[in-house]
Amino acid sequence: AQTVTQSQPEMSVQEAETVTLSCTYDTSESDYYLFWYKQPPSRQMILVIRQEAYKQQNATENRFSVNFQKAAKSFSLKISDSQLGDAAMYFCATPSQGGSEKLVFGKGTKLTVNP
Amino acid sequence: DSGVTQTPKHLITATGQRVTLRCSPRSGDLSVYWYQQSLDQGLQFLIQYYNGEERAKGNILERFSAQQFPDLHSELNLSSLELGDSALYFCASSLDPYTGELFFGEGSRLTVL
Repeated sequence: AQTVTQSQPEMSVQEAETVTLSCTYDTSESDYYLFWYKQPPSRQMILVIRQEAYKQQNATENRFSVNFQKAAKSFSLKISDSQLGDAAMYFCATPSQGGSEKLVFGKGTKLTVNP
Repeated sequence: DSGVTQTPKHLITATGQRVTLRCSPRSGDLSVYWYQQSLDQGLQFLIQYYNGEERAKGNILERFSAQQFPDLHSELNLSSLELGDSALYFCASSLDPYTGELFFGEGSRLTVL
């Protein structure tokens, strides 16, 4: 079965600093998408950033960027200039294999931002 | 606001009871997905519908069922409820199934006492 692994259950960062959340995945697909979702205390899942596997350039969305290493099947999220509002659970996800469209999620990383 | 609407937001019921969770997808989205989020299991895929037809099935219990109606809204029915069914149930919709990008509702928090 396809797996997405987030090895850091919890992380903390000082406000204005940079933090990197790790994610590895397992897939036999050659073309796929990868996502980072954020779940704040309000609990709604919000898309942070997405990466297309066939693109070598790492995706960037304002203060959020990814380090995508396709051969290593690694997809880390970097948050620059961390803000208090970044505190949330962060989930890495990728579509399931075999033509299914469902997303498979990692267990999540709880990010705390200290003032 | 993702455009996906879920009701109710909170629900408290007793073991053995049956509940129905409702979801309205974003305008134009044909696919609806149901996920269960619990502390120990994380986000688990339950079932997907596409334009009224079941498209994929995950770890959905036989006590659970779902459907998508002609107006594309979906309902998740949970019956013979057990304590372990207490969880956050998310509905999500998507426009482009190829990318897999999902838009989530705020979830329905189910507590079984």
